[in-house]
Amino acid sequence: DGGITQSPKYLFRKEGQNVTLSCEQNLNHDAMYWYRQDPGQGLRLIYYSQIVNDFQKGDIAEGYSVSREKKESFPLTVTSAQKNPTAFYLCASDIGHLHQPQHFGDGTRLSIL
Amino acid sequence: EDKVVQSPLSLVVHEGDTVTLNCSYEVTNFRSLLWYKQEKKAPTFLFMLTSSGIEKKSGRLSSILDKKELFSILNITATQTGDSAVYLCVSSGYALNFGKGTSLLVTP
Repeated sequence: DGGITQSPKYLFRKEGQNVTLSCEQNLNHDAMYWYRQDPGQGLRLIYYSQIVNDFQKGDIAEGYSVSREKKESFPLTVTSAQKNPTAFYLCASDIGHLHQPQHFGDGTRLSIL
Repeated sequence: EDKVVQSPLSLVVHEGDTVTLNCSYEVTNFRSLLWYKQEKKAPTFLFMLTSSGIEKKSGRLSSILDKKELFSILNITATQTGDSAVYLCVSSGYALNFGKGTSLLVTP
């Protein structure tokens, strides 16, 4: 079945560490997105990519980095510069037109030790 | 600044009740409005609305868009405990804008 796979489901980070969250899709979608969700908040866009080898900052990109070397993959690195990384991270993809529904992965919950 | 405001933020009802969730938006270059249901993990797509006044229906759920008054409602009739979730409203313009969601709890 086609879909989006995020891994791991749960991740713990020590202070000062970088961690990378994986997102893979087999939907042949051009566009991929990373969102952060905090309790009582809507989803906030971190980064998005509309095509391979290209990505753009979203509303809260500071402290994060991404790459898009393959169409299927859009990993997110949470760097030590992100001062409050504890959150639920969702990856999404769509065909690349803003008014089409997005497909979401099951999310990764990141916590700081 | 584009924004999407959902109300209420949370709601508790009994099984069998009917609920109406609200979403108002101010969006530059509006294209569509989408509703998602989020249980514990991935939001799942419910409806996409692009035209005013045309109701979309799926089982006990329905939704309508008013582009003049800039709002949408999501109705759930005969609620069941399985409807308990956060319902997200998303507007599509130059970018996607997410509301904070309405947390619905349906009690037996």
